[in-house]
Amino acid sequence: EIQLVESGGTLVQPGRSLRLSCAASGFTFDDYAVHWVRQAPGKGLEWVSGISWNSGAMGYADSVKGRFTISRDNEKNSLHLHMDSLRLEDTALYYCVKDRTSSGSRGFESWGQGTLVTVSS
Amino acid sequence: QSALTQPPSASGSPGQSVTISCTGTGSDVGAYNYVSWYQQHPGKAPKLMIYEVTKRPSGVPDRFSGSKSGNTASLTVSGLQAEDEADYYCNSYAGSNNWGLFGGGTKLTVL
Repeated sequence: EIQLVESGGTLVQPGRSLRLSCAASGFTFDDYAVHWVRQAPGKGLEWVSGISWNSGAMGYADSVKGRFTISRDNEKNSLHLHMDSLRLEDTALYYCVKDRTSSGSRGFESWGQGTLVTVSS
Repeated sequence: QSALTQPPSASGSPGQSVTISCTGTGSDVGAYNYVSWYQQHPGKAPKLMIYEVTKRPSGVPDRFSGSKSGNTASLTVSGLQAEDEADYYCNSYAGSNNWGLFGGGTKLTVL
């Protein structure tokens, strides 16, 4: 059974940094691209960032470009999102998502349950 | 990076068919056959229903189908059932600078 378990979400002040992690199991992690997708309270889905199977390609939404950094550790089957200069509008449930393919964005196949980031003073 | 455009709501009676549209541009929906659709029930994580415009993952009922014409993709739900009531989101690859542009979501109500 595929499992994606996010962690690291918490209450943080604007301008501060935070690191999210995702532990993956139940599939060959280094065969697939993985992503972060977020959902603000009561709002729709927003793709945040993605990374290919071997970290050779990464993508970011314009809203986070230059502030967020995605990385993965295939030895430890883990995905990370380092978030700097957090803003009020970054408040959301952050989902770790497995892609259907190795390169990315061919379908978000499996989703974790999310970790909540709240940016507030 | 403008979001794809979906109607905010759609509805139908049990057994009927309903179609949800997703309009983009020639740089996203119109440029790639990488449109996918997601179903989200309240308080739950989204579920992949359609990928690459028309393909269904294993386990998704064949009542769900996808299509595309030009810059507009569509999701059709046939033989509506009560459990189909949910929010539906479309998504399209939009090039190396934007891997996953979502629509604003459509709330489907089964009357």
